[in-house]
Amino acid sequence: GAGVSQTPSNKVTEKGKYVELRCDPISGHTALYWYRQSLGQGPEFLIYFQGTGAADDSGLPNDRFFAVRPEGSVSTLKIQRTERGDSAMYLCASRIRVNTGELFFGEGSRLTVL
Amino acid sequence: KQEVTQIPAALSVPEGENLVLNCSFTDSAIYNLQWFRQDPGKGLTSLLLIQSSQREQTSGRLNASLDKSSGRSTLYIAASQPGDSATYLCAVTRAAGNKLTFGGGTRVLVKP
Repeated sequence: GAGVSQTPSNKVTEKGKYVELRCDPISGHTALYWYRQSLGQGPEFLIYFQGTGAADDSGLPNDRFFAVRPEGSVSTLKIQRTERGDSAMYLCASRIRVNTGELFFGEGSRLTVL
Repeated sequence: KQEVTQIPAALSVPEGENLVLNCSFTDSAIYNLQWFRQDPGKGLTSLLLIQSSQREQTSGRLNASLDKSSGRSTLYIAASQPGDSATYLCAVTRAAGNKLTFGGGTRVLVKP
C-alpha cells in the first residue's frame, strides 16, 4: 500500500479482555516495528521484525504481549488479559530494511482499557 | 543504554520567528538520527534523516544539524507558521542495534 496502515484506529475494551492490533506495512518493506506511546511522552520500543522473525522483542513489557508476522508482511500485536495500564497509542512503522532508510509510521491504534 | 533528551518540553513563539529545537543523546555510536513531527492524536511524520557521516540535512524551511561527538542535533525551522504547531520528536538508531530510541518531544505552538 501507499503507507503504513493500522487497524483499528480506536479500540475500547474492558479489563481482562484479549485485544489484537493489526499493522499492514508499506509494500516491500522488510523491517517492521511496534512502539507504544503514552500521552505526552515519546514512543517506546516494543518489538521489531526483519522478515517473519522477531529480531528483537526486548521491549515487550511482559508475557501478556505477543506479536507475529507469519508471512513477512502484515503483523498483529496481541495483548492478553488487558490491564488499565495498557491504555496507550500503539504505533507501527516500517522501513525497507533494518538500518536502511527512513522509518515510516502508521496513524496508530489508540487502546483504552476500562 | 541510549538516552535521548529534548529540551524544552514545550515552546511558544509568534508567527515568523525562527524555531530552534534541541535533541541530545548519551551514546555517540549512532547509525543515524531522524526528526519527526506528530500532530495531536496522530502518527509520526518523518521530516529529516541524517546519517552518522553527515553534519546536516535540509528540506525547505527545515534544517537539521548533527554533532555526533557531542551527542547533539538541532532542528531549525525558518519563518515559523501556525501550521508548524505540533510535537517534534527526535530519534536515534544505535550503530550496534536496529531500533530507534526516541526523545520525549518538544511541543511547539506558533501563535498567529
